Amino acid sequence: SYVVTQPPSVSVAPGETARITCEGSDIGSNTVHWYQQKPGQAPVLAIYYDRDRPSGIPERFSGSNSGSTATLTISRVEAGDEAEYYCQVSGNSDHWLFGGGTKLTVL
Amino acid sequence: EVQLLESGGGLVQPGGSLRLSCAASGFSFGGYAMGWVRQAPGKGLEWVSSISASGGGTYSADSVKGRFTISRDNSKNTLFLQMNSLRAEDTAVYYCAKDRWNYEFFFDYWGRGTLVTVSS
Repeated sequence: SYVVTQPPSVSVAPGETARITCEGSDIGSNTVHWYQQKPGQAPVLAIYYDRDRPSGIPERFSGSNSGSTATLTISRVEAGDEAEYYCQVSGNSDHWLFGGGTKLTVL
Repeated sequence: EVQLLESGGGLVQPGGSLRLSCAASGFSFGGYAMGWVRQAPGKGLEWVSSISASGGGTYSADSVKGRFTISRDNSKNTLFLQMNSLRAEDTAVYYCAKDRWNYEFFFDYWGRGTLVTVSS
């Protein structure tokens, strides 16, 4: 079955750019969505269809997907961005496959 | 405003059954696919099951196939998850989630979750 891999953690200073990756074989041929989950809260959709932002998500959040890596990029990181981030891959036989999650720490 | 409110969680013994419900409001429930996603304590998200807008089509993860059944009552704006033959590894917070339309294969709104604990 298809496997997607996220780094367990990413750390960044306030104001810098955070890049969270989601790796899988030819993931660029699939569609990737991203969710933000803060402690004790339900997940929130952050990016869908690789790069689209739902209303209410700041423009600082962007996404890309090519080759074997999909990337969630958060520009000008703020303390409030600290959360767990999950990628979800659809388009293959596993329509709702989640990555293991990446904890973003704002230093 | 879209609202999803799960209920029915609790403590159950291994081998037992539980039925989760999700009351939906703020959107035309019968026009959207829905799903259940779970999260074991301290772990990541795991998709469990999804159902089409009409209820005529369902998908389930291999880990729950044959034990869990997803269904919906569009007249009552409610989603269900019947869980049988429960195991310790089914212990998790179960989230109800709304598909953006009818099988766009991602979830744009989530409920707050209900905790299921399987233990003797």
